[in-house]
Amino acid sequence: QVQLQESGPGLVKPSQTQSLTCTVSGGSFSSGGFYWSWVRQHPGKGLEWIGYIHYSGKTYYNPSLKSRATILVDMSKNQFSLKLSSVTAADTAVYYCARVYTSGWHGFFDYWGQGILVTVSS
Amino acid sequence: EVVLTQSPGTLSLSPGERATLSCRASQSVTSNYLAWYKQKPGQAPRLLIFGASSRATGIPDRFSGSGSGTDFTLTISRLEPEDFAVYYCQQYGTSPTFGQGTKVEIK
Repeated sequence: QVQLQESGPGLVKPSQTQSLTCTVSGGSFSSGGFYWSWVRQHPGKGLEWIGYIHYSGKTYYNPSLKSRATILVDMSKNQFSLKLSSVTAADTAVYYCARVYTSGWHGFFDYWGQGILVTVSS
Repeated sequence: EVVLTQSPGTLSLSPGERATLSCRASQSVTSNYLAWYKQKPGQAPRLLIFGASSRATGIPDRFSGSGSGTDFTLTISRLEPEDFAVYYCQQYGTSPTFGQGTKVEIK
């Protein structure tokens, strides 16, 4: 059973860079058929895809984030991370990490972490 | 970007009733690459359906997905108490996008 767990600070100051880590257990992190992704959910709102990374390092991002997001992978630790720069209050959300099953360019989210609330406030 | 519009916004039904949720895409979804998720308060979404009609592992057969092109439907044949939640559709034919959700509430 694949398990994902988010970690990182729950409070970030405006204009700073937010950093989150997702630790993956119970599955093969380096399997070619999966991406590793971040999705966020603003309070009381719907879901927004941020981006994903293949274990090879190839990345795809949501253009709406205007290049503020960077996703990296650390295969030695079975972890991947999200850095979101120049945060504002609009980035306050629950951030989920998730595994993506893909047979092509994109895919669906089959396993999710429990989520971590990140609040942007001074 | 493919915009997904879900309807209705809220569905008020009783346990045992049938629920029909709609998801309409702004353009045809490549290869019917559409998924459905269920989310309960304070929990992460859970995958129900992928490829428009394939049930994910462990999902009961009262959940079924159908549709193609731009119009997709999630049907719950007989609502159980644990089915009252918010449901999202997601397309993955291009960069992933989600619908805004349909809340299924107890009438």
